[in-house]
Formats: sequence, C-alpha cells, structure tokens
Amino acid sequence: GAGVSQSPRYKVAKRGQDVALRCDPISGHVSLFWYQQALGQGPEFLTYFQNEAQLDKSGLPSDRFFAERPEGSVSTLKIQRTQQEDSAVYLCAVWALTSGEEETQYFGPGTRLLVL
Amino acid sequence: DQQVKQNSPSLSVQEGRISILNCDYTNSMFDYFLWYKKYPAEGPTFLISISSIKDKNEDGRFTVFLNKSAKHLSLHIVPSQPGDSAVYFCAASDRRGSQGNLIFGKGTKLSVKP
Repeated sequence: GAGVSQSPRYKVAKRGQDVALRCDPISGHVSLFWYQQALGQGPEFLTYFQNEAQLDKSGLPSDRFFAERPEGSVSTLKIQRTQQEDSAVYLCAVWALTSGEEETQYFGPGTRLLVL
Repeated sequence: DQQVKQNSPSLSVQEGRISILNCDYTNSMFDYFLWYKKYPAEGPTFLISISSIKDKNEDGRFTVFLNKSAKHLSLHIVPSQPGDSAVYFCAASDRRGSQGNLIFGKGTKLSVKP
C-alpha cells in the first residue's frame, strides 16, 4: 500500500477508560481519513483531515470522540470514557495513486478495540 | 438509509469458475466506485476502481462493470482461485481525490472451493 501504519494493533479497555489510537502515514499525504468498522459491517466514515485541518467530522458518533493531526502527518483518534458499543476496528486511510495511476484510498491494518 | 448495498452476505464458487459480486447504490451523485478485498485482521486492500464515465474496467482476472442507469456495479473474478476467498467490499465516492470519503457496503464473503 501507500505505507499507513497504525498502533496499537489491538487494545482492550475497561468501560470508562480513555484510549488513544495512532495513525502514521508515510510523508506527503495531504488527506487522512478515519473509519470505524463494526463486526459484520463495512467501514463507516468518522472524520477527515487535509494537512492539519479537520475539514469534516460529521461521522464522529459522539462528543467522546476526538481526532487531531497537529503537524499534518501523524493523527490520533481519542475516545473518552469508552463504552461497549465503541468496540470495533478503527481504520486510517489516505488517498494515493496506484502503480496503474488509479486513485484509491489506501488503508492501514487497523486497531481492533475491545471495550469490556 | 444505506447508500451502498451488497445484498448477498456470502457466495460460494468452485475453483476455476467465475465469481460475480454485486453492488447497488442509491446516490446518483456518486462518480467513483472501488472494490476492496479484506482478510481477517488486515485493513481493506484495493482491487479495482471505475469512474462513472466508463462502463467497464479490467485488470487481470478482475473486471468491474458499471450500469449507471440501474445504479448497479459488479465485480467479476475469472478464473476464481482459493486465494480469492475473503470479504469483498464495494465503495463509492461523490468527490474524487483528496476530499472524498468512501461509503461502503456491508461486504460479501466469497469462498472459493478447490
């Protein structure tokens, strides 16, 4: 892919705990997207950055979710006071060109969050 | 209200035969469509895309067909191989490039039997 890493790969949190999920794309990607994928569903859009500016956060499910990208590269998705319904895979993606010059969103491996 | 629908949760095909995965959409503003393949514990992997100005795009064993009037697209895999077994997602965007988020279907689990 276009080189998107995410950490941690797995996170177990107790209900009420705060968590921080990291996305680290290789340099040069202007846009960065976060998605949430619940079990048995497709990824759903959460928020979008262009460089350090958060241009769209319409998909964030509640004010417990907060994302930032202060220097226009690494992004962090923070979930405060986690609830069981937050259990999902959180995916980070960037737009890039394939070797065949097709535009696509490249996804990182995701962080699987389990809230107990 | 689902804007992208994959009505078949699963599909089983014999090795060497054709796999046809279907996707319907409701938003006529969508102008770019993508197919992704996903293995467990991995992020979605891009397979093939098609712009709304085309009705077919081919890449090796994978061909995507777009029928704009029916708001329908399909992914054909010929010949199917056991390694193709995965969940396939259809996705759509109404803005190409860096400002477009993707709308995904729920996926179709393909099983290719040897």
